Amino acid sequence: EAQVTQNPRYLITVTGKKLTVTCSQNMNHEYMSWYRQDPGLGLRQIYYSMNVEVTDKGDVPEGYKVSRKEKRNFPLILESPSPNQTSLYFCASQDRRTEAFFGQGTRLTVV
Amino acid sequence: AQSVAQPEDQVNVAEGNPLTVKCTYSVSGNPYLFWYVQYPNRGLQFLLKYITGDNLVKGSYGFEAEFNKSQTSFHLKKPSALVSDSALYFCAVRVLSGSARQLTFGSGTQLTVLP
Repeated sequence: EAQVTQNPRYLITVTGKKLTVTCSQNMNHEYMSWYRQDPGLGLRQIYYSMNVEVTDKGDVPEGYKVSRKEKRNFPLILESPSPNQTSLYFCASQDRRTEAFFGQGTRLTVV
Repeated sequence: AQSVAQPEDQVNVAEGNPLTVKCTYSVSGNPYLFWYVQYPNRGLQFLLKYITGDNLVKGSYGFEAEFNKSQTSFHLKKPSALVSDSALYFCAVRVLSGSARQLTFGSGTQLTVLP
C-alpha cells in the first residue's frame, strides 16, 4: 500500500529540547516536503527536497532543519523548539505529475 | 510567486442541495490544480486534480471541479451534499517549471452540511 508514515503522531515537549519528527514514503518519489497547518492560515511549506541531498527552504523555514540522506526518508528537526512552533505538521511526497500524498500528521505542543 | 485564495472560511449547505466551494489562483505558467479534504484528526485526502485536458474534472465521492482559465478559478462542486461531506477543504496549485514543484495551499474552507 502506497503511504507516507510520520512519527510520532502526538508530541508534547518543553522549550529548547531538540526533537525529530520522522517521515518515510514507500512510493520512490523524488520530491518530499514538510508543511505546518495553523488555523486560518492553511498549510504553509517549511522545507522541501527535490532528491537525495537536495533540500531548499519553503515559506516558513525559520527554526527548522531537514535532511535527505535516503530517498525514502525526510526527517524534520527542531533544534531548539519554541512555543510558536506548536502546530500540526504534515509530511508529503509526490512525483512529477502526481498529486501529493500526505502523512497522518504530527500534533506538536511546545510548552 | 504563486498563490491560492479561498474567499469563504465557512460554507453551510442543507443536505441534498448542491454545494460549491470557491478557489481562485495566481501562477506564472500552466497550473496544476488540486482539491484535498481533511476530516477531524486525519491527514489530507486527495479529491481531484486538473493537469491538462477537459476543464471539468471528476473526482472521489461525487465531487467535481471546473477549471476556468480566464477567471483563474477552480471551484469544487457536488450536485447533492451529504452530511458526511462536512469537513475542511483545501485548494492547492503548483507549476512545473524547470525543477520547481512547490505546492501552495489556500487557507481552507470549512464545509458544514446540515441535516
